[in-house]
Amino acid sequence: EAQVTQNPRYLITVTGKKLTVTCSQNMNHEYMSWYRQDPGLGLRQIYYSMNVEVTDKGDVPEGYKVSRKEKRNFPLILESPSPNQTSLYFCASSRWLAGVSGELFFGEGSRLTVL
Amino acid sequence: GQQVMQIPQYQHVQEGEDFTTYCNSSTTLSNIQWYKQRPGGHPVFLIQLVKSGEVKKQKRLTFQFGEAKKNSSLHITATQTTDVGTYFCAGPDSGGSNYKLTFGKGTLLTVNP
Repeated sequence: EAQVTQNPRYLITVTGKKLTVTCSQNMNHEYMSWYRQDPGLGLRQIYYSMNVEVTDKGDVPEGYKVSRKEKRNFPLILESPSPNQTSLYFCASSRWLAGVSGELFFGEGSRLTVL
Repeated sequence: GQQVMQIPQYQHVQEGEDFTTYCNSSTTLSNIQWYKQRPGGHPVFLIQLVKSGEVKKQKRLTFQFGEAKKNSSLHITATQTTDVGTYFCAGPDSGGSNYKLTFGKGTLLTVNP
């Protein structure tokens, strides 16, 4: 079954404690991306990756890091989480053909609370 | 940077009424995508429009892409309770990187049975 898998689904942590949210896709997609969703603000892109070792900033990259060492995995790293990073996070992947993105497949979401 | 505006932010309808949400971009879009997110769920792809003036239908849903490729709409005929959710449009960033997808803030549709 084609899917994007995120872990953990729920996490409560404290300010400053480094954490990683993993994301894996089994569709051999070139493009992967992280979004955060906050009430009234919709989906905002954090980072995206066009392929292995190719990443770039989205609209709200501050406080986050990513890596793309393998095509299927795209972890999101919060080196020193702060309360303003409390949010619902989605990982997504898609094909990218002839400069046009295909449909985005989203993971189930990871709800993060930073105290 | 590019802005994608969606209106209305909320829409409450009686079951059986029609519903329309509008998406407007500050720049010309190469394509536009629409997604639906059920309460507590994740966004799910509905459709992609690429051509100027394109109209596509999926059962009771009709999607349009404007002639200038700067606006789009989603119309639902005779809403049902299963249509409840937030509808998002998304378009690629036409300014620097074509790989950034900017989402509108979405329209939350609630349906009274």
